[in-house]
Amino acid sequence: DTAVSQTPKYLVTQMGNDKSIKCEQNLGHDTMYWYKQDSKKFLKIMFSYNNKELIINETVPNRFSPKSPDKAHLNLHINSLELGDSAVYFCASSLGQIKNSPLHFGNGTRLTVT
Amino acid sequence: SQQGEEDPQALSIQEGENATMNCSYKTSINNLQWYRQNSGRGLVHLILIRSNEREKHSGRLRVTLDTSKKSSSLLITASRAADTASYFCATDGGTSYGKLTFGQGTILTVHP
Repeated sequence: DTAVSQTPKYLVTQMGNDKSIKCEQNLGHDTMYWYKQDSKKFLKIMFSYNNKELIINETVPNRFSPKSPDKAHLNLHINSLELGDSAVYFCASSLGQIKNSPLHFGNGTRLTVT
Repeated sequence: SQQGEEDPQALSIQEGENATMNCSYKTSINNLQWYRQNSGRGLVHLILIRSNEREKHSGRLRVTLDTSKKSSSLLITASRAADTASYFCATDGGTSYGKLTFGQGTILTVHP
């Protein structure tokens, strides 16, 4: 029944590794996002896709690569992980065609890089 | 500094009291939204107020918006222990497609 689900919930890995986070929404939304929340709870948008098309790409290292196989899924792949990548990553979705519709968030993936 | 800054950073009250949180922002907006985040969970949308609205109510929530001062406030009346959470305001910077900019939030603790 979960509307926006992310896996895994926790991810502990070493520097230099490559990892992926998966996100799926069953709300029928056409727009999906990745947000990063740092240790001070500051939440910053990374990417947004509308109908599988990248529409927002903030200043994010190119080690981060989003992929949207269809409008219900948005995955995030991170190469060569660094200590500073440790954060909580949130996936969200919305009805992008309805201007400024509220975002629905997943419960986050806590990434710890050691 | 960032769009959407909440004040105070932390608020501690007793059950039954009212809680007021403030948000300031810098650019023009189409609307302003408030979200709640419980510990270890994702953000949950509470209320949206459009730029041409001054006040909006939803249950025990009351939001005001003053576009001339670029500020908003969220009032939770008759607070409950279950209201303990972080509260964030988010602004769209006049854009569409949900490019919301969040503040760092107000941590609200309601003591039973």
